[in-house]
Amino acid sequence: GQQLNQSPQSMFIQEGEDVSMNCTSSSIFNTWLWYKQDPGEGPVLLIALYKAGELTSNGRLTAQFGITRKDSFLNISASIPSDVGIYFCAGYNSGGSNYKLTFGKGTLLTVNP
Amino acid sequence: NAGVTQTPKFQVLKTGQSMTLQCAQDMNHNSMYWYRQDPGMGLRLIYYSASEGTTDKGEVPNGYNVSRLNKREFSLRLESAAPSQTSVYFCASSEMTLNTEAFFGQGTRLTVV
Repeated sequence: GQQLNQSPQSMFIQEGEDVSMNCTSSSIFNTWLWYKQDPGEGPVLLIALYKAGELTSNGRLTAQFGITRKDSFLNISASIPSDVGIYFCAGYNSGGSNYKLTFGKGTLLTVNP
Repeated sequence: NAGVTQTPKFQVLKTGQSMTLQCAQDMNHNSMYWYRQDPGMGLRLIYYSASEGTTDKGEVPNGYNVSRLNKREFSLRLESAAPSQTSVYFCASSEMTLNTEAFFGQGTRLTVV
């Protein structure tokens, strides 16, 4: 099946620092999604990417859909304490009857005030 | 806006008991999903329903059954619960035909003793 490798597994940073995390896949994806999960909550969609090479921003968050369609990264600039949580990438391939979203294992972000 | 609603939020079962997790969405989405989340494993797909009337196995379907009752509702059943099924279960939905962004419920925390 499709595999998503997300790195790093965890990050511990100081408030104000920039953060970068990425996902790579063994397969081509048509869509990349980035989610954030707060403790005790369900994942919440941050950014959706639909086109190879696409670069999209949402406030302090920027994500890119890799040109090979096998990778994506998420950057957070000027981190703040409320950025703490688990960040997941997810990929979707609409080829054939494969409608399922595949998730990475997550990056746990801790921000030290 | 309710979005995706899961019930119950918490449940404790004895080994061998059965139960059904309920999920409903009010966004008129075509596709619905059940995931389980375990520490260090990310979100793993149990079953999904690409559209009303269809269901397909995901990555970890053993020990589970699903029913897409109608377009709004997608239930997950554990016929004979096992301790290995202790997890947090998330239901999600997406429009899928034009838009693959998936939206999640708040989760059901299940403990099997």
